[in-house]
Amino acid sequence: GENVEQHPSTLSVQEGDSAVIKCTYSDSASNYFPWYKQELGKRPQLIIDIRSNVGEKKDQRIAVTLNKTAKHFSLHITETQPEDSAVYFCAASIRAAGNKLTFGGGTRVLVKP
Amino acid sequence: EPEVTQTPSHQVTQMGQEVILRCVPISNHLYFYWYRQILGQKVEFLVSFYNNEISEKSEIFDDQFSVERPDGSNFTLKIRSTKLEDSAMYFCASTGSLSNQPQHFGDGTRLSIL
Repeated sequence: GENVEQHPSTLSVQEGDSAVIKCTYSDSASNYFPWYKQELGKRPQLIIDIRSNVGEKKDQRIAVTLNKTAKHFSLHITETQPEDSAVYFCAASIRAAGNKLTFGGGTRVLVKP
Repeated sequence: EPEVTQTPSHQVTQMGQEVILRCVPISNHLYFYWYRQILGQKVEFLVSFYNNEISEKSEIFDDQFSVERPDGSNFTLKIRSTKLEDSAMYFCASTGSLSNQPQHFGDGTRLSIL
């Protein structure tokens, strides 16, 4: 089955700097890659997603890139703010095949003011 | 914005007892999921449900687990005889379409087995 690896496990950045989180997946059939942000004790909230027919997607300060050949995708947060502090999870799934999400191990991001 | 709602928010149960976790998916959604997250670990898939039957289940979802959609709005997860290792946060999720809609998660139920 699918396996998703996520790095780093923790990331500390200065406010205003950029943060980059990387994930790799194993199943070449995976075609949908969402990113979730989870604050302490709360639900995972979708922040951005990308489909395999797209190489890059951007939403304000957040961008995701996908390299299908290498089977990796990355989350980029620019101009980080203290409220970006949270745990971020990448995930992979096969659309139109039940769509179960396989999550990475998570990255704890701390933005220092 | 419509939300997935889960009850209770926290459930404390003695080992060996049965628990039922409840979820109300977003009203026009058709696909339902349960995930669990052991403290400090990643979110793990348990089961997906569509058209009143299980679509897929993970190795975690053994005979102690069952899911049901008893009416048009609720989606439940039952653990028949709880074990200490069942202690986790359980998230329900739903989506309206497999092709172009994301999964929306509820706030979760924290299950503590004593």
